[in-house]
Amino acid sequence: DSGVTQTPKHLITATGQRVTLRCSPRSGDLSVYWYQQSLDQGLQFLIQYYNGEERAKGNILERFSAQQFPDLHSELNLSSLELGDSALYFCASSFGAHNEQFFGPGTRLTVL
Amino acid sequence: QQQVKQSPQSLIVQKGGISIINCAYENTAFDYFPWYQQFPGKGPALLIAIRPDVSEKKEGRFTISFNKSAKQFSLHIMDSQPGDSATYFCAASFQSGGGADGLTFGKGTHLIIQP
Repeated sequence: DSGVTQTPKHLITATGQRVTLRCSPRSGDLSVYWYQQSLDQGLQFLIQYYNGEERAKGNILERFSAQQFPDLHSELNLSSLELGDSALYFCASSFGAHNEQFFGPGTRLTVL
Repeated sequence: QQQVKQSPQSLIVQKGGISIINCAYENTAFDYFPWYQQFPGKGPALLIAIRPDVSEKKEGRFTISFNKSAKQFSLHIMDSQPGDSATYFCAASFQSGGGADGLTFGKGTHLIIQP
């Protein structure tokens, strides 16, 4: 158990809909990262927040957005969902902006 | 553009043997190279990591070898056990403020240890 929690574990929705994934980092960690894992694209970095501020962006679509709240939990919002958005979404956390990243158990998103 | 190339895609090793997984990177600005282990239905778990100022790092049965001039690094699992059967990912990132801090992952190696 890494100490990173993610909810929900599974999410099934329809095309065009909007969903919110939630992540709580390990106690004391200030940095949160979001990743997408799919069979064709592998594990891809989406976005990073550090102490409430956006720090780095990866291959995140414009339909996706994220934020980190004052209590350091983070939410990833996915809108106008497409079939191709079906994937595992992982959150990771680290103490600083440059330290080892510890992954949560993931949210499996299925878009029908 | 695949910045971290991992091989092989799959690997079968006998119990007690040595498992070797290789990765090559393109961006010379990368300065942090971790390996992650992932079991089905679980998130990736940090196994071992190395920075380019050392050529080798060992933790228990796991060793990373790093060749900066060749831009390659590898994971060696000694005395491989059936419980090591999992998917292994190499990764790279900037850890010195030179760029984005997100990890760039290889495609993964599906390792099976036969009893």
